[in-house]
Amino acid sequence: KQEVTQIPAALSVPEGENLVLNCSFTDSAIYNLQWFRQDPGKGLTSLLLIQSSQREQTSGRLNASLDKSSGRSTLYIAASQPGDSATYLCAVLSGSARQLTFGSGTQLTVLP
Amino acid sequence: DGGITQSPKYLFRKEGQNVTLSCEQNLNHDAMYWYRQDPGQGLRLIYYSQIVNDFQKGDIAEGYSVSREKKESFPLTVTSAQKNPTAFYLCASSPTTTYEQYFGPGTRLTVT
Repeated sequence: KQEVTQIPAALSVPEGENLVLNCSFTDSAIYNLQWFRQDPGKGLTSLLLIQSSQREQTSGRLNASLDKSSGRSTLYIAASQPGDSATYLCAVLSGSARQLTFGSGTQLTVLP
Repeated sequence: DGGITQSPKYLFRKEGQNVTLSCEQNLNHDAMYWYRQDPGQGLRLIYYSQIVNDFQKGDIAEGYSVSREKKESFPLTVTSAQKNPTAFYLCASSPTTTYEQYFGPGTRLTVT
């Protein structure tokens, strides 16, 4: 059964810092990996989707990498801003039913 | 505006009552999903549907039921058999090409 782990569970950084969020998964046979952002009490916003054949995806200040063989992904946020404060969730699509398995998230606080 | 709508945003029910949560999408996606989110936990899959008039149980389907009579709609009924129904419920949809999931704003259900 696929398991997804996100480290750290919480992170607090000063504004302007570059930071890395980590995601690991146990079964490397995945179709894709998605990074989401969730603000308190809200739904999830898709940030980046990396297909299994890709190594990385970029959107603005965000860059996500995927190393399928080692079961790892990282989300890099450049020049962090207070508006980046949210919970970031990693999810992998795997299995014959193409189900998403989610990590528990990293709660990020960017201090002004 | 394309997207996923969930209603209501907040729902309060007495124990022993069934309640139905609405999910509608106008993204023309074939697949739709229901997740449950509890504090400090990742999202868990309740039910999913990849085509009209067909749906499958996810990891925690006991005490829940769904229907998929139209492509745009995937309502979730929380029955009195669900032991701990108080939670935040999220609906999602995806195309069956990329399986990139898009989420609605969620419904917070409180049962007392």
